[in-house]
Amino acid sequence: NAGVMQNPRHLVRRRGQEARLRCSPMKGHSHVYWYRQLPEEGLKFMVYLQKENIIDESGMPKERFSAEFPKEGPSILRIQQVVRGDSAAYFCASSPTGQYEQFFGPGTRLTVL
Amino acid sequence: RKEVEQDPGPFNVPEGATVAFNCTYSNSASQSFFWYRQDCRKEPKLLMSVYSSGNEDGRFTAQLNRASQYISLLIRDSKLSDSATYLCAGSSNTGKLIFGQGTTLQVKP
Repeated sequence: NAGVMQNPRHLVRRRGQEARLRCSPMKGHSHVYWYRQLPEEGLKFMVYLQKENIIDESGMPKERFSAEFPKEGPSILRIQQVVRGDSAAYFCASSPTGQYEQFFGPGTRLTVL
Repeated sequence: RKEVEQDPGPFNVPEGATVAFNCTYSNSASQSFFWYRQDCRKEPKLLMSVYSSGNEDGRFTAQLNRASQYISLLIRDSKLSDSATYLCAGSSNTGKLIFGQGTTLQVKP
């Protein structure tokens, strides 16, 4: 049973470009969570999605960030017009239900030049 | 007050020692509780869920004290390979995890 998959593992963007981060949950998991870890900081929740629905986006910055989890395909975290402060590790986690253990993917390390 | 708080350490212990970490939580992060391990800022790996009755897995024991709003992790007979950052997390009523800053453990030979 493959774990949570994320790609790309490393992403370099210049200021103003767009970043698209993908997450495929574990087989049988329909709940996806995105977290961000800034350098020297802890993990911070961003958004929680079920298939085609955003359940909790209380951790998402109001501008430039969006997330989706379509009926088919991976969950996508999209960052428009990236700035240097967006440089971080972005982790996706999945869970079979909303109050069960979450299992993390290897993360995408975003570097904004 | 932070929603989930941990002593960042570092905790430096010799091999074979017993070490305990505590973590306090607020009402907004009080549905379920977990301990994760993170190595060199790689992905967090689930170590244990924490149940009201306490639970044990080999050398690791987790306890929950709802009255005082803290959870603990006890590691017995520390190994060099236990060196890592230990993250405690509480879940909110929507299921999101709220993490503490992490406690760094360094086990020395």
